[in-house]
Amino acid sequence: DAGITQSPRHKVTETGTPVTLRCHQTENHRYMYWYRQDPGHGLRLIHYSYGVKDTDKGEVSDGYSVSRSKTEDFLLTLESATSSQTSVYFCAISEPNRYNEQFFGPGTRLTVL
Amino acid sequence: QQPVQSPQAVILREGEDAVINCSSSKALYSVHWYRQKHGEAPVFLMILLKGGEQKGHDKISASFNEKKQQSSLYLTASQLSYSGTYFCGKTQGGSEKLVFGKGTKLTVNP
Repeated sequence: DAGITQSPRHKVTETGTPVTLRCHQTENHRYMYWYRQDPGHGLRLIHYSYGVKDTDKGEVSDGYSVSRSKTEDFLLTLESATSSQTSVYFCAISEPNRYNEQFFGPGTRLTVL
Repeated sequence: QQPVQSPQAVILREGEDAVINCSSSKALYSVHWYRQKHGEAPVFLMILLKGGEQKGHDKISASFNEKKQQSSLYLTASQLSYSGTYFCGKTQGGSEKLVFGKGTKLTVNP
């Protein structure tokens, strides 16, 4: 157990509303990541953070923003949710060591109607 | 660019062997393997680094061919618990960013 929680675990929202997903870790890992998972696409990186207030874009960052004001929390915000953002969102953590293995949170299932 | 996994799906009987392949069109620095059971989060299995170093699950083996830019995961004497979707992820140039393949669904039947 890598000490990662995500909240909420399930959310249904309407198109155009803002949504924030939270990832919380208890083990002081430096790197944190947000992925989305859709059938037929595997896991795709949205944004990641390599330290407090240090973030960078992944391969599918359009329509998403992130913030990391504390080591333990990494927030993903959909400013104006669209139906194409219906997905399962996973947070992951890692340490910048030689291997950089990632450990995933339980996921958040988001449905945008 | 996503690595390409093959096969997309495989069905085995308990005790049989399987090989899952992961290939890239660009040079690889490392290859990561994860397994995901239905409705759960992906779980780390193995990492293989350029140069031959590896770290991971002691009951699963894998290879990394740098020249062919390819990795293979070997599942021998499969157990029911091996069922799930297997993902490979690649990094390039020591980046911490992983790019995952689309996955290989493995089903092990009694």
